[in-house]
Amino acid sequence: RKEVEQDPGPFNVPEGATVAFNCTYSNSASQSFFWYRQDCRKEPKLLMSVYSSGNEDGRFTAQLNRASQYISLLIRDSKLSDSATYLCVVNNGFQKLVFGTGTRLLVSP
Amino acid sequence: DADVTQTPRNRITKTGKRIMLECSQTKGHDRMYWYRQDPGLGLRLIYYSFDVKDINKGEISDGYSVSRQAQAKFSLSLESAIPNQTALYFCATSPGRGHNSPLHFGNGTRLTVT
Repeated sequence: RKEVEQDPGPFNVPEGATVAFNCTYSNSASQSFFWYRQDCRKEPKLLMSVYSSGNEDGRFTAQLNRASQYISLLIRDSKLSDSATYLCVVNNGFQKLVFGTGTRLLVSP
Repeated sequence: DADVTQTPRNRITKTGKRIMLECSQTKGHDRMYWYRQDPGLGLRLIYYSFDVKDINKGEISDGYSVSRQAQAKFSLSLESAIPNQTALYFCATSPGRGHNSPLHFGNGTRLTVT
């Protein structure tokens, strides 16, 4: 089993839609969690950290479910500019970040 | 100007050649990393360095070496390039202790080994 698993997609949604991605992780000792965004052929950029109580940044909401070992990212009112690959990243302990392979989102007019 | 700069942006080389990928940063971060990204595999850690005197192997260090010439510079070498080292390579920095600090990536080097 992979340490971090994501549905590769693509998720095709119209503008204005709400879309959610999940990411599962295998190590119950994982300490911190992040979502990164990566545009085609570009570098990943931090979208948001994921806190235990859940957190929101504008149209983006991240949640953590430790019991079921997954994190989620919800995007409301999707924009064309949200089209990208979303990477789930988990800190599995001392000095080690593990990246998922990413979920691709395509937002269409 | 980019805070984390990688050179070259693209490189095509032949099997057996030695090549160096360079990374420099103006963010003042102590921690620097080299990752490679392959389709379907995600980013994998090659080497990392927490300060000038510290070098650590990541999960896929075989066939690679690094040099931390200064706080701002971290270079990755392929001593004898092979085709399965064809990938997109990213340098990254982070500011803090522990792994709640986000990574700041360079713009990547696309390497092709023929």
